Amino acid sequence: EDQVTQSPEALRLQEGESSSLNCSYTVSGLRGLFWYRQDPGKGPEFLFTLYSAGEEKEKERLKATLTKKESFLHITAPKPEDSATYLCAVRGYTGFQKLVFGTGTRLLVSP
Amino acid sequence: DTAVSQTPKYLVTQMGNDKSIKCEQNLGHDTMYWYKQDSKKFLKIMFSYNNKELIINETVPNRFSPKSPDKAHLNLHINSLELGDSAVYFCASIPKGGETQYFGPGTRLLVL
Repeated sequence: EDQVTQSPEALRLQEGESSSLNCSYTVSGLRGLFWYRQDPGKGPEFLFTLYSAGEEKEKERLKATLTKKESFLHITAPKPEDSATYLCAVRGYTGFQKLVFGTGTRLLVSP
Repeated sequence: DTAVSQTPKYLVTQMGNDKSIKCEQNLGHDTMYWYKQDSKKFLKIMFSYNNKELIINETVPNRFSPKSPDKAHLNLHINSLELGDSAVYFCASIPKGGETQYFGPGTRLLVL
């Protein structure tokens, strides 16, 4: 069964203090690894899709990387508006377009 | 120009009642989903419909019955509501041949 584990559960940073979030996964053939951002009271908002080990994608202060067992979401010089829950999900080759999510990392960036 | 919309946004009801949640997407997507997010923020798939046909049916009590009248709409009817059904329910959709799921704003269900 496909599984995703995210760490840490919660992370508190000062504005400008860079860090990384981890997403470890087991999947029967990775078809895609997805990062979403979720603000309180809202639905998940798509950030990145990674397909193969070694791939990297960037968007503003966020950079996602992928290995065969895990993905990292690097946050460079975060701002308070980056505070949110970051969700990681995988899609395998079984289960029609089914995403399996981790429990997320709650990020709080203080000014 | 809302992409994926859900109604109602909040739903407070008594145990044993029957309720429905509605989802509509105006993106022209073929596949729609229902997810349940519990109090610990764990998001788990419940159902998926592709062009009005049920394609994913996870281990969900049969008190939950999805219905897709057309490919732009996916509703969720819940019979005999229980305390454990309290959660946030998200609808999502994905285009044909696409990889990215787009989520609605969620329906917060509280069963008393």
